[in-house]
Amino acid sequence: AQKVTQAQTEISVVEKEDVTLDCVYETRDTTYYLFWYKQPPSGELVFLIRRNSFDEQNEISGRYSWNFQKSTSSFNFTITASQVVDSAVYFCALSEGSRVTDKLIFGTGTRLQVFP
Amino acid sequence: DGGITQSPKYLFRKEGQNVTLSCEQNLNHDAMYWYRQDPGQGLRLIYYSQIVNDFQKGDIAEGYSVSREKKESFPLTVTSAQKNPTAFYLCASKFGRAPGNTIYFGEGSWLTVV
Repeated sequence: AQKVTQAQTEISVVEKEDVTLDCVYETRDTTYYLFWYKQPPSGELVFLIRRNSFDEQNEISGRYSWNFQKSTSSFNFTITASQVVDSAVYFCALSEGSRVTDKLIFGTGTRLQVFP
Repeated sequence: DGGITQSPKYLFRKEGQNVTLSCEQNLNHDAMYWYRQDPGQGLRLIYYSQIVNDFQKGDIAEGYSVSREKKESFPLTVTSAQKNPTAFYLCASKFGRAPGNTIYFGEGSWLTVV
């Protein structure tokens, strides 16, 4: 069965600290896709990144970076030099490589609070 | 502007009443979805549609109904049979039918049953 675990319910940091949000997934598929979304207080889910199971390259986008490790079934997200605007709930999600069950499986989210 | 528009943003409903949440997208996306979010929980799939005039139940479809008469529209009706309808509802869509394509979300609708 597919599952996404975000063990950190809430994280609080002070501005300019680095913070890593953990994501561990379970799937039997060899082809799958991983996503991170940001949910600010307004409620909309904002897409951050998509990764397929065949691409284990880490990615950096500005202050954001992602570490994908198939050996540990993890897809962790790091924010460098955090800012107050980074305060949000962050969701990790998994999609099977199947047209039959076309859905995202979400973790329960990690609430990040960045204090000035 | 292109995007996914949900309305209303806030809705109050009396017990026993049906209510319909609107979702429109002008992105020419093929697939559309409805998710439900409860406090402190992740999102759960209610229904999805990959093409017009076709839709599939998700994990928590009981008490909900949908239609897909037009490519750009995917309204969700929360019926009186839904036992605990108070939640945040998110509509989403994606281009094509490939399983790994990115799903984009609307701004959500808050439904409160009073």
